[in-house]
Amino acid sequence: ETGVTQTPRHLVMGMTNKKSLKCEQHLGHNAMYWYKQSAKKPLELMFVYSLEERVENNSVPSRFSPECPNSSHLFLHLHTLQPEDSALYLCASSQGYSSVVSYNEQFFGPGTRLTVL
Amino acid sequence: AQKVTQAQTEISVVEKEDVTLDCVYETRDTTYYLFWYKQPPSGELVFLIRRNSFDEQNEISGRYSWNFQKSTSSFNFTITASQVVDSAVYFCALSENTGTASKLTFGTGTRLQVTL
Repeated sequence: ETGVTQTPRHLVMGMTNKKSLKCEQHLGHNAMYWYKQSAKKPLELMFVYSLEERVENNSVPSRFSPECPNSSHLFLHLHTLQPEDSALYLCASSQGYSSVVSYNEQFFGPGTRLTVL
Repeated sequence: AQKVTQAQTEISVVEKEDVTLDCVYETRDTTYYLFWYKQPPSGELVFLIRRNSFDEQNEISGRYSWNFQKSTSSFNFTITASQVVDSAVYFCALSENTGTASKLTFGTGTRLQVTL
């Protein structure tokens, strides 16, 4: 595997289900991100992890719970979601924790298309 | 707060036409970076270019060129002699340094449709 991979690619769940999205990066990066992409809205940054510590949490509802067990893996645990949470969830990674971190481009996975019924 | 505006929601061109995608940004930072990403139908955002706020030189890469003008806070993207494979959604983004990781503010994207 190369780059950033995400599983599953498609997920349909009911509002009472619990599921998890998985992201893995094979680039040796140390920062990872979750984004939500809804129709006709800008990409919304949800969470940022740097060196496995959460450094950003953009007022995301608690029904979304991230986990970063190591610098290569990132999970998004989902429970009791709402239909408005249906979207494309994108994971990204970048080389962080340097003096010029904002210079580093983020590499994205293909996303998980989530549908909440 | 940072903001990126891509006023063009959708653009349709015929193959071999030139097309320019507009991007206007707002930031209070004196040092910042601008990016363009391409999102084909497969969904994955593909990095195209990065530009820092101190470098206003235009850049050309094959059929792609970028015009950065700090005076007008714009970072426009031109595709010369467009091709069907250029059909995608294009995003402009502005970075913010959180200290340990980069944080990108994206525009709403411009959907480019290139037809034969």
